[in-house]
Amino acid sequence: GAVVSQHPSRVICKSGTSVKIECRSLDFQATTMFWYRQFPKQSLMLMATSNEGSKATYEQGVEKDKFLINHASLTLSTLTVTSAHPEDSSFYICSARDGGVAEAFFGQGTRLTVV
Amino acid sequence: GDSVTQMEGPVTLSEEAFLTINCTYTATGYPSLFWYVQYPGEGLQLLLKATKADDKGSNKGFEATYRKETTSFHLEKGSVQVSDSAVYFCALTRDSNYQLIWGAGTKLIIKP
Repeated sequence: GAVVSQHPSRVICKSGTSVKIECRSLDFQATTMFWYRQFPKQSLMLMATSNEGSKATYEQGVEKDKFLINHASLTLSTLTVTSAHPEDSSFYICSARDGGVAEAFFGQGTRLTVV
Repeated sequence: GDSVTQMEGPVTLSEEAFLTINCTYTATGYPSLFWYVQYPGEGLQLLLKATKADDKGSNKGFEATYRKETTSFHLEKGSVQVSDSAVYFCALTRDSNYQLIWGAGTKLIIKP
C-alpha cells in the first residue's frame, strides 16, 4: 500500500510553546488529509479534514486557532499545536487519501507530551 | 450521531486459538465498515472492509461479515498466531470523503 510518513514520532515541549507535526505522502498525491487525536484507551477523534490548497474543515469543538492545519501541497500537511498546554498531550495521527482511491493511509502517529 | 462500539481489551489468547472481537455500530444510512490493525511501533493499516449488508471482508485469515440486522461487524480468525498481536480498530465511514468514525480499539495479545 501507499506510504504516509509522520514526524516526529515523539515530542516533548514546554507549556506555552508551539509544536509542528508533519505528514507526508511519499508515493502518491494526497488530495485529502485527515488529522486525528487519540486519548488513552479511547477512540480516534477526527479533528479536521483538509483538501490541498483549501482551508481545513474543523470538527465541532476543535479550536482552529489552536490547532493550525496547513495543506499547501499534494504531499505535505502540517499540524501546529500553538501555545501548547498539558491538556494537549495526546497521540496525533494523520491519514492521507488520493481522491481516486477509496482508501486512506495512515502515518505512524506522534506522541505529544507537554510539560 | 454515528458511533462504533467494540469490546474492551486486552484480549489474551494462546496461539492457534479462535478469535472473535465484537464490533457494533450506530449509523444512519448505509455506512461502509472497516477493520484496521496497528502493530507495535507502526501506523494503522487497513485489514479488511465491507461496503454493503451481507458482504464479507477477508484478509490474512481474518474475516468479518456486515450484518445490518444486528448492526455488527465482528472480527474472527480461526487460528491466531503470535504475529497477530496488535491493536485492532473497528470503524465506519461517515461519508464519501472517507471520514472515519472509530471504535476505541482492542489490544490483542497472543501467547506462544
